[in-house]
Amino acid sequence: AQSVTQLGSHVSVSEGALVLLRCNYSSSVPPYLFWYVQYPNQGLQLLLKYTSAATLVKGINGFEAEFKKSETSFHLTKPSAHMSDAAEYFCAVSDQRRRDDKIIFGKGTRLHILP
Amino acid sequence: EADIYQTPRYLVIGTGKKITLECSQTMGHDKMYWYQQDPGMELHLIHYSYGVNSTEKGDLSSESTVSRIRTEHFPLTLESARPSHTSQYLCASSEGSGRETQYFGPGTRLLVL
Repeated sequence: AQSVTQLGSHVSVSEGALVLLRCNYSSSVPPYLFWYVQYPNQGLQLLLKYTSAATLVKGINGFEAEFKKSETSFHLTKPSAHMSDAAEYFCAVSDQRRRDDKIIFGKGTRLHILP
Repeated sequence: EADIYQTPRYLVIGTGKKITLECSQTMGHDKMYWYQQDPGMELHLIHYSYGVNSTEKGDLSSESTVSRIRTEHFPLTLESARPSHTSQYLCASSEGSGRETQYFGPGTRLLVL
């Protein structure tokens, strides 16, 4: 069965500092991997996704993530945090071979930006 | 502009009432989904649909029901609301396969007293 684990339910970084949100996945088959962001009182919005092309994926708002098969990881990074990055971030996995198109979400990491 | 809408955004209702949460999308997507999200918890899929007249139960058991009579419309109904139904409900749609992006509505925050 597929699953994702997000390390740290809350992460705090100073404005201008590196953002690193960790995600490890479990999948017996090649996965599709996603990062979504949820701002307060809004739905989820796709940041980026890995679909078996380049292992380094660039997304919106300066975020990027690297697929590392050997580590079963898909960590999200941003070189310099901005106050507007404060939000909840969800890692998600989908099975390339599934026909029901379900994706499994992690529990989320709330990112706090300190001034 | 293509989008996905949910109404109401907030709903406070008494136990035993029947409620319908509305979800509509203008993107022509065949696939639609309902998720339940509790604070600090992951999203749980409760219903999905592959297209008109197609509905399936998700991974999390739910007392709610859904219908898909039109491509753009995927309402969720609770026949008799209970306090245990208090949660946030998110609707999403996608074009097709698991590699495709799911587009989410803003959610409905439900409080059952």
